[in-house]
Amino acid sequence: SQTIHQWPATLVQPVGSPLSLECTVEGTSNPNLYWYRQAAGRGLQLLFYSVGIGQISSEVPQNLSASRPQDRQFILSSKKLLLSDSGFYLCASLFGDTQYFGPGTRLTVL
Amino acid sequence: TQLLEQSPQFLSIQEGENLTVYCNSSSVFSSLQWYRQEPGEGPVLLVTVVTGGEVKKLKRLTFQFGDARKDSSLHITAAQPGDTGLYLCAGEYNFNKFYFGSGTKLNVKP
Repeated sequence: SQTIHQWPATLVQPVGSPLSLECTVEGTSNPNLYWYRQAAGRGLQLLFYSVGIGQISSEVPQNLSASRPQDRQFILSSKKLLLSDSGFYLCASLFGDTQYFGPGTRLTVL
Repeated sequence: TQLLEQSPQFLSIQEGENLTVYCNSSSVFSSLQWYRQEPGEGPVLLVTVVTGGEVKKLKRLTFQFGDARKDSSLHITAAQPGDTGLYLCAGEYNFNKFYFGSGTKLNVKP
């Protein structure tokens, strides 16, 4: 079975600071990987989608970027955070027709 | 653009009552998934429905996929406090891309 790790678990950053969130996957190879953002008590918004190393599809124009330097590593970044970047960030991996989610990172931008 | 509309947004009921959550779209999906999420955690898959008109049962939960594969419902019989959580539907289209509904927050009071 797959295991998805995300870190950090929580993060408080000032407006204008950079961001790097990391996601790693165990138990599978060449997975489809996803970054989602979730507002409190709401649905998930698909941010980025990757089918392989270096292949990133951006779903929503925004202040964020993603990279996939290794097969099972997916990174979410920003050069300058905005207040609106606050939220719960979830990484997911696709196995068959099932998405498995990581534990998430709670980001607060002040 | 909200591709999937869930209703109701909030639901507070007494233990033992029945409830139905709806997930509607104008788009056709190759599959539709239902998730349950606890606060501060990633969503966990409950079921995937693939065929139009399909009905799946998971103990007290019954899932139905519309004939046209544009809508779905989740029915819970004799709700229990342990059913409390955020219920999310997600539709798959454009091959392995998933778009989530806005979520239904369920509270079952003992």
